[in-house]
Amino acid sequence: NAGVMQNPRHLVRRRGQEARLRCSPMKGHSHVYWYRQLPEEGLKFMVYLQKENIIDESGMPKERFSAEFPKEGPSILRIQQVVRGDSAAYFCASSDRVGNNQPQHFGDGTRLSIL
Amino acid sequence: GQQVMQIPQYQHVQEGEDFTTYCNSSTTLSNIQWYKQRPGGHPVFLIQLVKSGEVKKQKRLTFQFGEAKKNSSLHITATQTTDVGTYFCAAPWYGNNRLAFGKGNQVVVIP
Repeated sequence: NAGVMQNPRHLVRRRGQEARLRCSPMKGHSHVYWYRQLPEEGLKFMVYLQKENIIDESGMPKERFSAEFPKEGPSILRIQQVVRGDSAAYFCASSDRVGNNQPQHFGDGTRLSIL
Repeated sequence: GQQVMQIPQYQHVQEGEDFTTYCNSSTTLSNIQWYKQRPGGHPVFLIQLVKSGEVKKQKRLTFQFGEAKKNSSLHITATQTTDVGTYFCAAPWYGNNRLAFGKGNQVVVIP
């Protein structure tokens, strides 16, 4: 009964490189959420996806950031041409039903460091 | 958009003492959720409150939803070192299928 799986746990990139963060939701969950967390701060919503669809990307920067959740395989958060300000912990969460009253199950996160 | 404000932001609590953390909203909430994040860990769902005035208990933790459904509190008795972490409340972002998280209450337990 695996939980939400994120990889890698830690990712180091140089400025200008690309970062790819992966998230496999809990078994049976088809709703995926990505959050960003800076040290000593709360969780900032980025994007909400269902299988093959982006439902709400209002929290994601328009440039350099993209997300997908293909029919097969994990959800991917992609950051192109990374900058120092992208350094943060990125958490993925999943739920089994639509609706804002569903508990979200979080992965361990990916700690992204930009050199 | 919907926002939830948490107070205090930081707390230092002596082991064995009680403490309370609060979550407030300017608008009526359909429900509120609480999460706990240990240092270096990920948020873990604790509980959801839905009804006006609802009170739920989990061992030493007592969660309460205000009568007007605009505020919530988490009270922990006989604090233990395992209670260290950041406690977040989260509420529906009105009109959207997602949650808005508060900034959290970071709790440090003093042995």
